Parts: sequence; structure tokens; C-alpha cells
Amino acid sequence: NAGVTQTPKFQVLKTGQSMTLQCAQDMNHEYMSWYRQDPGMGLRLIHYSVGAGITDQGEVPNGYNVSRSTTEDFPLRLLSAAPSQTSVYFCASSFPKSSGANVLTFGAGSRLTVL
Amino acid sequence: GDSVTQMEGPVTLSEEAFLTINCTYTATGYPSLFWYVQYPGEGLQLLLKATKADDKGSNKGFEATYRKETTSFHLEKGSVQVSDSAVYFCALSDVGTALIFGKGTTLSVSS
Repeated sequence: NAGVTQTPKFQVLKTGQSMTLQCAQDMNHEYMSWYRQDPGMGLRLIHYSVGAGITDQGEVPNGYNVSRSTTEDFPLRLLSAAPSQTSVYFCASSFPKSSGANVLTFGAGSRLTVL
Repeated sequence: GDSVTQMEGPVTLSEEAFLTINCTYTATGYPSLFWYVQYPGEGLQLLLKATKADDKGSNKGFEATYRKETTSFHLEKGSVQVSDSAVYFCALSDVGTALIFGKGTTLSVSS
């Protein structure tokens, strides 16, 4: 049981480049989300999804796109990277709140540097 | 909107010392409360949770009690170990909302 798998673990981009952070989970979780972690800011929600075909914005969605074509995968796309997007990104998943369990399982993180 | 405020760190303790990390929250409803821990180089993992007032969550010697009257969920441990060195996040989840985290408190325990 792999849990939540994020790739790549490290990435360096130049300003203006695009890339996709991959996230996959094998726990049949309906809820998936992306957070960014910055020093002194804690974790801030970027986008989330409550099921395949459904996505919504979190606290800091600008500059990021997501899609959810399958239950297992929830990629995060940066269309034109900016230095302000230098951060550590975490993908997390859970069963929906209605099931009585809302404990997030986190991936190990992807450290992105934009030069 | 809902929010979580936790004490700023870093918190530096000697092994076997008593630990308290304060956490207070603001919510319009009746949220569930959580403590997550992040060890160096890893993602977050659940430490403990409480889903209603007066519940006590506990795990690995850590405890926290959901205090509705003071809107608090302080994390405590009677005797910390070097292996407890990590970043601790308080979080809440209300009906229909995503998990909201505090800014995190870094704990450093020396032998």
C-alpha cells in the first residue's frame, strides 16, 4: 500500500516555464487536495477535489490549474512559473467528511524552486 | 472565516521536559480538531484528533482536549524525547470545509 505518491521530489524551473506535479493515491480516497508550505505561513490550500470530474479553488489558487479525470490522480499544473511559486508542495487525500473520517494522508512533498 | 492560531516557535526543551503547545481556533460551527506532526524531510501525519467538545485525543504520549468554552486544543506531553523534534500543526475541519492549518510550531529537543 503506497499511500500518496508525489513526483518529482525536487524540481528547478526558470521563470515562465511550465510543469506538472504529479499526485497519485491507491486508497480509493474521494477527496484530494494540494497545499503549499512556506516558512512562517503554514500550509495553504491551493485546489481540492471531492471526486473525479470535480475540482474547486482553495485559498491560493492563482497560477495553478488542476484536473481530476480519475479517482487516483490529481495533478497540479503551473502554466508559467514565477519565483513566488518557490515552495514545498504537498498532496493529501482522504475519505469524504460525510463518511465520518476526515483524516488527511499526505505525500512526502515536492520541493520546487523557480529561478 | 474559520482560523487557527498556534504559539510561535521555536520551542526548545531538554529531554524529559514537559511540553505544551498552545492552539486556539475560531469557527462558526462545531469543527473537528487535529494535531499533525511533520518530521524533517517528510510530509505531515496525523498525531491525534478530537471531534466534539470535551473529547481528549491521545497518541504516543501526546494529549489534547477539545475545550469549547475557551476555543482551545492545546497539545501536551509529560516527557519529551529527542525523537519528538518536529514541526507540529494544529488544524480544524468544519462541516463542508477543507482542513485549515495553523502556521506550525517547531519543537527542538536536546539530550
